[in-house]
Amino acid sequence: EDQVTQSPEALRLQEGESSSLNCSYTVSGLRGLFWYRQDPGKGPEFLFTLYSAGEEKEKERLKATLTKKESFLHITAPKPEDSATYLCAVRGGWGKLQFGAGTQVVVTP
Amino acid sequence: DVKVTQSSRYLVKRTGEKVFLECVQDMDHENMFWYRQDPGLGLRLIYFSYDVKMKEKGDIPEGYSVSREKKERFSLILESASTNQTSMYLCASRWEVGEGPRPEAFFGQGTRLTVV
Repeated sequence: EDQVTQSPEALRLQEGESSSLNCSYTVSGLRGLFWYRQDPGKGPEFLFTLYSAGEEKEKERLKATLTKKESFLHITAPKPEDSATYLCAVRGGWGKLQFGAGTQVVVTP
Repeated sequence: DVKVTQSSRYLVKRTGEKVFLECVQDMDHENMFWYRQDPGLGLRLIYFSYDVKMKEKGDIPEGYSVSREKKERFSLILESASTNQTSMYLCASRWEVGEGPRPEAFFGQGTRLTVV
């Protein structure tokens, strides 16, 4: 059965304090690992797709990387507007998306 | 841009009522999903539809059913609402794997359902 574990559950950062979120996964035949951002009371918003170990994607202060067993979302010099819950999901053989529980990030000025 | 629209942002229903949650997408996506989201549990898949009139059970289908009569519309039905179905419900859609230019799923804004 596909499984996704995210850590930490919550992260409190000072503005400018860089950090990383972890997403560990087990899946039969990875067909994509996805990162989403979710603001309170809203649906998840797509950030990145990664397919193979060694792949990296960047967008503003966010950078996602992938190994064979985990993915990291690096937040460089975060700002308060980066506060959100970040969700990781994997897609396995028949296309089902399996989500982790998310990491809630709070960035204080 | 892709738009996934859920019919209600907030709903309050009584125990035992039959509840319909509607979702419409405007990008001709083959695949549509219903998730529920609870604190500490993340998003859990209730049902998945890969084409019109086709459906597959997800991880937690008990107490729910779905209907997909048209490609753009996917309905979630709570046959007899119970308090443990109080949750945030999220609809998503995407192209069939390998068919579209973008592999990711697009989400609606969510429906917060309270069953009293």
